Parts: sequence; structure tokens; C-alpha cells
Amino acid sequence: GAVVSQHPSWVICKSGTSVKIECRSLDFQATTMFWYRQFPKQSLMLMATSNEGSKATYEQGVEKDKFLINHASLTLSTLTVTSAHPEDSSFYICSANGEGGASSYNEQFFGPGTRLTVL
Amino acid sequence: EDKVVQSPLSLVVHEGDTVTLNCSYEVTNFRSLLWYKQEKKAPTFLFMLTSSGIEKKSGRLSSILDKKELFSILNITATQTGDSAVYLCAVGPGTYKYIFGTGTRLKVLA
Repeated sequence: GAVVSQHPSWVICKSGTSVKIECRSLDFQATTMFWYRQFPKQSLMLMATSNEGSKATYEQGVEKDKFLINHASLTLSTLTVTSAHPEDSSFYICSANGEGGASSYNEQFFGPGTRLTVL
Repeated sequence: EDKVVQSPLSLVVHEGDTVTLNCSYEVTNFRSLLWYKQEKKAPTFLFMLTSSGIEKKSGRLSSILDKKELFSILNITATQTGDSAVYLCAVGPGTYKYIFGTGTRLKVLA
């Protein structure tokens, strides 16, 4: 199946700093990528849909100025958590799907996730 | 409001048992239903269902969709300790966008 990578896997930062998380599709072009957040023992909550070359679409209740998303190429989307606070500590997962290559229509491929801890 | 409900929330069985996990949904526009297995990290894909009544099978796992009654089941036969995980159901109401249920936490005891 298609491979999606995330970097970093784990990050600890001080309150007030910004953290950038990368999501890459390694063997296919991802026209659309999704960013999810998962709190302990809870399900995945979609934060935003990222389309290559256009602005991201944020879900209700997600602050677009706090969670900056950039989908600059067909293989890379980034999520920047600005001015992070302890309540932003969570597991952030990206997924991607697209046309052609190893990705089949409607199947989302997930990255391994990034665990963010804000002190 | 679109929603996906999974049951039970949690399940503990012994090796060799058969389990059935449920996923019911209410969405404005149904496109497909996906099942995932999540262990310690990101979910891994199990099945995609788009048509009613057609069983998808992979080894000891199988799944079927009922679009009239708006639910799907995931069956695992002859469970093994390696099946212990959270099983997530996701329903797509529109282009590429999926809504996830809260998951069923399965623990298989040796």
C-alpha cells in the first residue's frame, strides 16, 4: 500500500513556542491530505482538510490562526501549532489519498503520527 | 449532524473466541465506510465497504455493510492476542472526508 510519513515522531516543547509537523506521501501524489488530532482513549477528530495549492478547510471549532496548514506540493503538507499550550498536547495524525500510484480512490493512508507534549 | 457510533466501547475475550463489532451511522451523503485497526500508533486500513450485502474478507476478519439499516459489522473469528487493538469505523459523507467513531477497544486474553 501507499506510504505516508510524518516528522517528527515525538516532540516536547515549552509553552508559547511553535511546532511544525510534516506529512509526506512517499510513493504517490496526494492531492488531499487530512490532519487529525487524537486525545488519549478518544477517536480521531478531523481538524482540517488540506488541498494542494489552496487554503485548508478547517472543521468547526478549530482555530485556523493557531493551526497553520500549508500544502505546498503534491507530496508534502505541514501543520504548525503556533504558540502551543499544554492543552494542545495530543497525538497528531495526517492521512492522504489521491489519484494513481499506490493510492486507490477513497482509501486514506495514515502517517505514523506525531506525539506533541507541551510543557 | 453526521455521526458514527460504535459498540461495544470495550470488549475482553479469550483466545479462540469470535467477536462482532458494530458500527452504525447517520450521514447526509454516504460514500463509503472504512474499518481500521489501531494499535499504538496510526490506524491501519482493514476494509472499505461501499455496497450493501457484499462481504469483504481477509483471513480471520470479515465485514459487511447494510445501507438500508445504516450499519456495518466487523467479525473476527478465532481471535488471537495480536488482535488486541482499537477498531475504528469511519464513514465518508462527501468527497474524501471521513467521520470516525469512538472505536471499540478489544483485548484478547491468552
